[in-house]
Amino acid sequence: DGGITQSPKYLFRKEGQNVTLSCEQNLNHDAMYWYRQDPGQGLRLIYYSQIVNDFQKGDIAEGYSVSREKKESFPLTVTSAQKNPTAFYLCASRLGSNSQETQYFGPGTRLLVL
Amino acid sequence: AQTVTQSQPEMSVQEAETVTLSCTYDTSESDYYLFWYKQPPSRQMILVIRQEAYKQQNATENRFSVNFQKAAKSFSLKISDSQLGDAAMYFCAYWGTSGTYKYIFGTGTRLKVLA
Repeated sequence: DGGITQSPKYLFRKEGQNVTLSCEQNLNHDAMYWYRQDPGQGLRLIYYSQIVNDFQKGDIAEGYSVSREKKESFPLTVTSAQKNPTAFYLCASRLGSNSQETQYFGPGTRLLVL
Repeated sequence: AQTVTQSQPEMSVQEAETVTLSCTYDTSESDYYLFWYKQPPSRQMILVIRQEAYKQQNATENRFSVNFQKAAKSFSLKISDSQLGDAAMYFCAYWGTSGTYKYIFGTGTRLKVLA
């Protein structure tokens, strides 16, 4: 089945620790996105990538980093610089051409700080 | 900059009745797309319906339809014959064609369906 997978479903971070959230898609989509969701605040864009080896900062990139070495993978690292990382993280992808504007989402990762 | 506003944090509807969720947006672009996404308790975001701004005809998907008023920058979602499975958070989203490749989301409306 084609789709977007995120792992793990739950992730626990200790103080000062970097953690990496996985996002993989087999839809052959060019564009991928990372969002953070906090209660009552909707979705906020962290990073996005239109093509392999290229990515742009979103609205809340501080304390996060990404890489896009493969078309199907867009991992997000939450660094120790992110002081309030507890949130629900959603990965999404889009085919990539200007006529393919619909975005599809993975099931999400819940990050909690110990 | 584009903005999306959902002014109803929470709505309730009786099963089998009809409910309308509101969304307004602000943009200077002439060509764009609007979406409604559903997020049930599983938290999986599911596309409900999409509307292309240059199409005057309102989009419809089974029990879901939109009222798109381009001049008023309004994009409401109507759910007919509401079912218990419709209970979820609903997010309105905007995507412009100017090349920023960023989606703008509203803060969401929580829909409760009463049996």
